[in-house]
Amino acid sequence: EAEVAQSPRYKITEKSQAVAFWCDPISGHATLYWYRQILGQGPELLVQFQDESVVDDSQLPKDRFSAERLKGVDSTLKIQPAELGDSAMYLCASSRTGNNSPLHFGNGTRLTVT
Amino acid sequence: SQQGEEDPQALSIQEGENATMNCSYKTSINNLQWYRQNSGRGLVHLILIRSNEREKHSGRLRVTLDTSKKSSSLLITASRAADTASYFCATDAMDSNYQLIWGAGTKLIIKP
Repeated sequence: EAEVAQSPRYKITEKSQAVAFWCDPISGHATLYWYRQILGQGPELLVQFQDESVVDDSQLPKDRFSAERLKGVDSTLKIQPAELGDSAMYLCASSRTGNNSPLHFGNGTRLTVT
Repeated sequence: SQQGEEDPQALSIQEGENATMNCSYKTSINNLQWYRQNSGRGLVHLILIRSNEREKHSGRLRVTLDTSKKSSSLLITASRAADTASYFCATDAMDSNYQLIWGAGTKLIIKP
């Protein structure tokens, strides 16, 4: 079965540095999501794309976070500068268009900010 | 914001027993989904139940939905060690433009 690819798997960075995460969704999935998950909590949506357009970025801290999906396929999430509180798992998911389409998740990037 | 609330927060049972987890939500929904997450991995979709359905089965999983009580339950029968994971419910709230809203999850431990 096709999978959502994410890299890197782990990232350790110092505060004030820039970090970037990459996601390649399942082929044909028009909707792409970036989530942040703190240990012991559910995923929190950061940004949702429909093709190359942002559908929802209301929870994205835009002063330091940015996301793009230029060709409507793979996507990059960037944090600059990183803060200690950004330490979390960053999950990418994709789905077909439609309210009843299940999400397919990658295995995430575990970010540690020191 | 989190609409769904799972309970219990943690559940530890013996292998072979049944495990039941509950999810409550606050506003009207179109559907409710259950996902599993193994430690350090991404979430895996288990089952989706629509608001006009009351019960759904998939292998050893049984999901019920009570829209009058705004609650759902996930039953795993004949549990196995491999079922050890966190389980999350997600609802697409009608008043949030159908954005998925997640609970905090139930951590299930199956003891061999």
